[in-house]
Amino acid sequence: AQSVTQLGSHVSVSEGALVLLRCNYSSSVPPYLFWYVQYPNQGLQLLLKYTTGATLVKGINGFEAEFKKSETSFHLTKPSAHMSDAAEYFCAVVKTGRRALTFGSGTRLQVQP
Amino acid sequence: NAGVTQTPKFRVLKTGQSMTLLCAQDMNHEYMYWYRQDPGMGLRLIHYSVGEGTTAKGEVPDGYNVSRLKKQNFLLGLESAAPSQTSVYFCASSSSGADTGELFFGEGSRLTVL
Repeated sequence: AQSVTQLGSHVSVSEGALVLLRCNYSSSVPPYLFWYVQYPNQGLQLLLKYTTGATLVKGINGFEAEFKKSETSFHLTKPSAHMSDAAEYFCAVVKTGRRALTFGSGTRLQVQP
Repeated sequence: NAGVTQTPKFRVLKTGQSMTLLCAQDMNHEYMYWYRQDPGMGLRLIHYSVGEGTTAKGEVPDGYNVSRLKKQNFLLGLESAAPSQTSVYFCASSSSGADTGELFFGEGSRLTVL
């Protein structure tokens, strides 16, 4: 079955520091991978997705993620954290042809001034 | 732009009561989904629909029923609420399957079952 594991339920960084949120997937075939963000009291919105092609994917708000098949990882990064990045981040996976996403347990990002 | 609208946003029920959550989307999307969000567990799929008149079970369908009589609406029903159904419920829609289309989420409905 398709699944994702997010390492670290809470991550705290200083403003201006590198953001690294980890996601590993388990799949017998190359999956499609996604990162969604949830701001307080809101629904989720898409940050970026990997389907095929270039393994380095750029998303909104300066975030990017790299698909590494050898490591079964899809970690999310941002070079310099901003206070507005404080939110909960979800990695998600879907198998080609499937209809719905499977989400990880989420990582709450805190940005310290 | 309304997008995906969920009603009600908050509800408190007693064990055994029934209720219906309504999800409405104005983007003419084919696919609609109901997820529940619980602390430390991410979002889990309850039921989904790939078009008007269709429904399918997700990961955690027990205790819930759904209907998609109109393309723009997806209803989630609890026939006999249980405390384990205390959660935040999210509806989402997509123009195509989740592998190719972005999911658009509503703002959530917080349900407490006493």
